[in-house]
Amino acid sequence: AQSVTQLGSHVSVSEGALVLLRCNYSSSVPPYLFWYVQYPNQGLQLLLKYTTGATLVKGINGFEAEFKKSETSFHLTKPSAHMSDAAEYFCAVTSNQAGTALIFGKGTTLSVSS
Amino acid sequence: DGGITQSPKYLFRKEGQNVTLSCEQNLNHDAMYWYRQDPGQGLRLIYYSQIVNDFQKGDIAEGYSVSREKKESFPLTVTSAQKNPTAFYLCASSMGPSSNQPQHFGDGTRLSIL
Repeated sequence: AQSVTQLGSHVSVSEGALVLLRCNYSSSVPPYLFWYVQYPNQGLQLLLKYTTGATLVKGINGFEAEFKKSETSFHLTKPSAHMSDAAEYFCAVTSNQAGTALIFGKGTTLSVSS
Repeated sequence: DGGITQSPKYLFRKEGQNVTLSCEQNLNHDAMYWYRQDPGQGLRLIYYSQIVNDFQKGDIAEGYSVSREKKESFPLTVTSAQKNPTAFYLCASSMGPSSNQPQHFGDGTRLSIL
């Protein structure tokens, strides 16, 4: 069975500071990993994904994530936070078995203060 | 523009009433999904469909029903058997059943009990 754990339900940073949102996964088969962002009362928007190949993945809005198999992690980072980054972020995992649905973490709310 | 349209944005249900949430996509995607979102719980899969006239139960299908008569449409009915229906419901689609395809989300329907 697959699962996702997002450490910290709420993260607060100052504008311009480093953003680090943690995600650890459990999977018995090679995983596909995703980060999504959700703004209030909206759907989810894909930030980035890892399927195969390069383990450092760059996404939209300056975010990136690194797949570390030895640590079963896929942490999301951004060098300098912007006020517009305030939102809820979800990590999700699936496998390379066709038809497997996404398993989501419980989300991390990012607050950015000026 | 291609996308996923969910309607209505807000919906109220009376005791003993069935209500239907609409989800339409014009992305020509084969696979469609319904998720339920509760505060602090992340997204939980209700039903998914990989192809027209076929669908599978997700983790929390009890009290819900779906149909997939057309490729672009995947309505969700919340039946009176669902005793705690108050939640934010999200519909998503992906190009195919292959799990490395990212899911695209609608803007959600917020369901409340009267």
